[in-house]
Amino acid sequence: DAGVIQSPRHEVTEMGQEVTLRCKPISGHDYLFWYRQTMMRGLELLIYFNNNVPIDDSGMPEDRFSAKMPNASFSTLKIQPSEPRDSAVYFCASSSSHRNTEAFFGQGTRLTVV
Amino acid sequence: AQSVAQPEDQVNVAEGNPLTVKCTYSVSGNPYLFWYVQYPNRGLQFLLKYITGDNLVKGSYGFEAEFNKSQTSFHLKKPSALVSDSALYFCAVRSSFRGSTLGRLYFGRGTQLTVWP
Repeated sequence: DAGVIQSPRHEVTEMGQEVTLRCKPISGHDYLFWYRQTMMRGLELLIYFNNNVPIDDSGMPEDRFSAKMPNASFSTLKIQPSEPRDSAVYFCASSSSHRNTEAFFGQGTRLTVV
Repeated sequence: AQSVAQPEDQVNVAEGNPLTVKCTYSVSGNPYLFWYVQYPNRGLQFLLKYITGDNLVKGSYGFEAEFNKSQTSFHLKKPSALVSDSALYFCAVRSSFRGSTLGRLYFGRGTQLTVWP
């Protein structure tokens, strides 16, 4: 398996534009997580899904953020409109429902909003 | 409530010396504990985990961690540090409790390890 695949790796956009981040989890994994990492706040859980259903979105900072998982092999995180304070590295991770298994992380998307 | 604490933002150690990166946790039910490492501009990589059994678990790159239930700790250790071990280390916990947070991993803030030559 190629692991968790995120795209794009880097994104630079202007304030006010819509940004869509994409994630392909590992095949067979039924949990998918979106994290944001910044120097100030560290690693924050934004939202996670189980069997394509959002379980906890309490970490989503505000209504400008939305996430979907239309099927088991694809998820998106959308920011509309984007703001400079959204600049961060966004990670997607997936894991199996077997509780003794670890989560596997993608390489991340570095988002810069100017 | 589930949580993980990494009390040290930074750990500095000389190459060849033993290293310890500390982690304590709070979780409902039995804990499943994990350590991850992050190199610059990379995602988090799994190092090792404790699920059950022997309190001392061994992982990648010569790292090991000791589970201490009474102290609710899971410190990461390595007998002899390498310069290439310099990275950001995260401790994480998952609850065995079948509640609303089942499946969720709780991460600490991370500890920056620097190994100097």
